[in-house]
Amino acid sequence: ETGVTQTPRHLVMGMTNKKSLKCEQHLGHNAMYWYKQSAKKPLELMFVYNFKEQTENNSVPSRFSPECPNSSHLFLHLHTLQPEDSALYLCASSQDGENGEGNTIYFGEGSWLTVV
Amino acid sequence: EDQVTQSPEALRLQEGESSSLNCSYTVSGLRGLFWYRQDPGKGPEFLFTLYSAGEEKEKERLKATLTKKESFLHITAPKPEDSATYLCAVRGSSNTGKLIFGQGTTLQVKP
Repeated sequence: ETGVTQTPRHLVMGMTNKKSLKCEQHLGHNAMYWYKQSAKKPLELMFVYNFKEQTENNSVPSRFSPECPNSSHLFLHLHTLQPEDSALYLCASSQDGENGEGNTIYFGEGSWLTVV
Repeated sequence: EDQVTQSPEALRLQEGESSSLNCSYTVSGLRGLFWYRQDPGKGPEFLFTLYSAGEEKEKERLKATLTKKESFLHITAPKPEDSATYLCAVRGSSNTGKLIFGQGTTLQVKP
């Protein structure tokens, strides 16, 4: 079993649909992340949660809505997406210090999203 | 602004032909430089973390080194299974929650 598990692995949705991506980490970490990976572009940070509190929202459109019910689970709720939102969405986690010092971030396998 | 640039964008090697990948960075207060390997359709797999200039780390055929301005990932006698995209990322003191990634180097090793 991998340390960070994402479901579904593949998702096709219409522009008017509502869907959610799920992430679970089994590493006992206190921080979780959503990253977006588009073709030919570097990974882009979307959201950061530390101790279940959102500490970073990297100017992400409101059609992406994160939810972190506990330190092991993270969701990304999707609604009225655009075709340009098609990408690989990666969940990650890390064990960060109280002073904000960061440690290694571990990624899940990703959810491939296609918006039609 | 923190920035990471990787070169080359793509690299083709023959099996056994050693080479190096470059990661140039600018960051305010380095809190870690990270190397990941990513296979097609999969998430990045952690390889190394380097924290200070002069530090080196090794894993099988891979060796990562760090200076104040760049990092190198040396690949010694590569095999076809080393083919992947290698990603470099930095974490700075001004944004400890973020990893800033480069665009990656796609390595192809031919038998």
